[in-house]
Amino acid sequence: DAGVIQSPRHEVTEMGQEVTLRCKPISGHDYLFWYRQTMMRGLELLIYFNNNVPIDDSGMPEDRFSAKMPNASFSTLKIQPSEPRDSAVYFCASSLAPRGLAPKNIQYFGAGTRLSVL
Amino acid sequence: EDKVVQSPLSLVVHEGDTVTLNCSYEVTNFRSLLWYKQEKKAPTFLFMLTSSGIEKKSGRLSSILDKKELFSILNITATQTGDSAVYLCAAGSARQLTFGSGTQLTVLP
Repeated sequence: DAGVIQSPRHEVTEMGQEVTLRCKPISGHDYLFWYRQTMMRGLELLIYFNNNVPIDDSGMPEDRFSAKMPNASFSTLKIQPSEPRDSAVYFCASSLAPRGLAPKNIQYFGAGTRLSVL
Repeated sequence: EDKVVQSPLSLVVHEGDTVTLNCSYEVTNFRSLLWYKQEKKAPTFLFMLTSSGIEKKSGRLSSILDKKELFSILNITATQTGDSAVYLCAAGSARQLTFGSGTQLTVLP
C-alpha cells in the first residue's frame, strides 16, 4: 500500500487567498484525521471522520477552516481566507476502526503539507 | 480536557548512552498509549501499549505502561546518531489520540 498520500507537499500563498489541502487515506481505513503541527503548539487534532462522516470538529480553529470527505478515498481541508498564523505543517492520518484482534488506534500519517502564508 | 505531558522537552546525549523518555497522561476512556518517532517528516509508529507492566521491545527500544500511575516510559539503549528525532507520546480512547509536545532527542557522535 502506498500509505497516506497528501498533496501538495508545500504551499506558499498570500494572506487572503484560499488554500485547499488534499488527502488520500490508506485503502480500507475507516478513520481519517487532520492535524496541524507548529513549534508553539505541537501536534493538534483539527477534525476527524469515521466512514466519511465528521465526528469531532472541535479542534477546528475558526470558521475559516472547513473539511470534507466526499468518499472513502479522499478528503480536503480548506482555509478561506488564509492568514499568516495558519502557517504550519498539516498532517492527515488514517486508521482502522476497532474490530476483533486487529490493531486499534494506530494512526498512519501522510508526509504532510507545509503551508506558508505570507 | 485530555492531556499528555512529556519530559524532558529536549535531551542531548552521546552515542552509546541510554536514555529514558517520560510520558504522563490524563485521558477520558483511556484505551491505549502510543509512541511515535518523528524525524524531518511524518510521525512513524513505534509501539502501542494497552496493558500495564508488559514491556514492548523492538531492538534497542523498549516501552512500558503503568495504568495505575498513568505514565509510560520509552527506553533507548546504546543510542546511535540515527535515533536523533522527536519522540511523540499519544494517549487515546477507542477513536482518537491526544499527543504530547514531544521530546527532542539529539545523539552526538
